[in-house]
Amino acid sequence: KNEVEQSPQNLTAQEGEFITINCSYSVGISALHWLQQHPGGGIVSLFMLSSGKKKHGRLIATINIQEKHSSLHITASHPRDSAVYICAVSMSGGSNYKLTFGKGTLLTVNP
Amino acid sequence: NAGVTQTPKFQVLKTGQSMTLQCAQDMNHNSMYWYRQDPGMGLRLIYYSASEGTTDKGEVPNGYNVSRLNKREFSLRLESAAPSQTSVYFCASSGAGIKRGYTFGSGTRLTVV
Repeated sequence: KNEVEQSPQNLTAQEGEFITINCSYSVGISALHWLQQHPGGGIVSLFMLSSGKKKHGRLIATINIQEKHSSLHITASHPRDSAVYICAVSMSGGSNYKLTFGKGTLLTVNP
Repeated sequence: NAGVTQTPKFQVLKTGQSMTLQCAQDMNHNSMYWYRQDPGMGLRLIYYSASEGTTDKGEVPNGYNVSRLNKREFSLRLESAAPSQTSVYFCASSGAGIKRGYTFGSGTRLTVV
């Protein structure tokens, strides 16, 4: 049983569309991360959330701790947003923040 | 630029050979991690070091050893490489406290033939 589930696994959109990627988790967490990975590329941290909502440019991340659910939204999507988006959580407790990852959502934005 | 530096970026090994992946961070982070990424499996933790002088096993430690050389450096060693260790390896670091973020290295693509 995977502790972090993402949906959808694959998502294709047209440029300009509003995109939502969902993440559900089954354990108590201290933080949730959204990461971006371009094909063949490194991993970039987009957001770290422990409550509420964060916004950076066209990207918005929300988290509902009670429902154990987070969403990543992309407004006015662009082909350069094409990438794998990964949800990851760090468990409650402890002094380190090792992550447990979802399997990722492959987003393709067509011009 | 500040961040996490991994070397090498690419490596091909023969079965049974050994190698060490190097990782260094210059953000004064306490914790460092080694993850591997495989198709369909996502990222999985191999080993981590919560602070200088400590190391612990993660989800998939078999076949690997690590050394936290100092606060900056955390190396991953494959003593006798196997084809099952073909993967992309990422080093990462995080600061103390929940508000400090995570930073990943650029990855090492390892092929064992």
